Amino acid sequence: GENVEQHPSTLSVQEGDSAVIKCTYSDSASNYFPWYKQELGKGPQLIIDIRSNVGEKKDQRIAVTLNKTAKHFSLHITETQPEDSAVYFCAAIPNTDKLIFGTGTRLQVFP
Amino acid sequence: GAGVSQTPSNKVTEKGKYVELRCDPISGHTALYWYRQSLGQGPEFLIYFQGTGAADDSGLPNDRFFAVRPEGSVSTLKIQRTERGDSAVYLCASSSTGNNEQFFGPGTRLTVL
Repeated sequence: GENVEQHPSTLSVQEGDSAVIKCTYSDSASNYFPWYKQELGKGPQLIIDIRSNVGEKKDQRIAVTLNKTAKHFSLHITETQPEDSAVYFCAAIPNTDKLIFGTGTRLQVFP
Repeated sequence: GAGVSQTPSNKVTEKGKYVELRCDPISGHTALYWYRQSLGQGPEFLIYFQGTGAADDSGLPNDRFFAVRPEGSVSTLKIQRTERGDSAVYLCASSSTGNNEQFFGPGTRLTVL
């Protein structure tokens, strides 16, 4: 079955710097790759997603890139702000509808 | 509009007891998912409903876990003879037909003493 690996597990950046989180997946049939932000005590919040027919997608300060050949995708956050601090999860959907999540990245943005 | 809601937000029970966790999906969403999240880990799939039927229950860990969605809207996750290892946050998500986007509720934190 699908396996999603995520790096790094923790990431600390200064406010205004960029943050990059990387994920790899194993199932070449996966065709949908969402990113979720989870704050303490809350459920995961969908922040951006990308489908397999697209290489890059941007939404204001966040962007996601996908390399299907290498089976990896990345989340890029520019001009980070303290409110970006949270745990971020990547995920993939193989031929089924269930999300397979990575292990999460704890992002801390210091003012 | 209203998002996915889950009740209770917290549930403390004793080992061996029965619990029910409820999920109210976004109105009109035909697909409903249950996931379980242990501390420091990503959510893990339990079961997926399309309408009233369970389309995939391959993530249920054993036969103590059961879920229903009798009218194709609200779903209840039922856990019998709870064990300490069942302690986790149980998350519910919903999506509309033909759309992969899954929207999560706030979760129910289950603690088995």
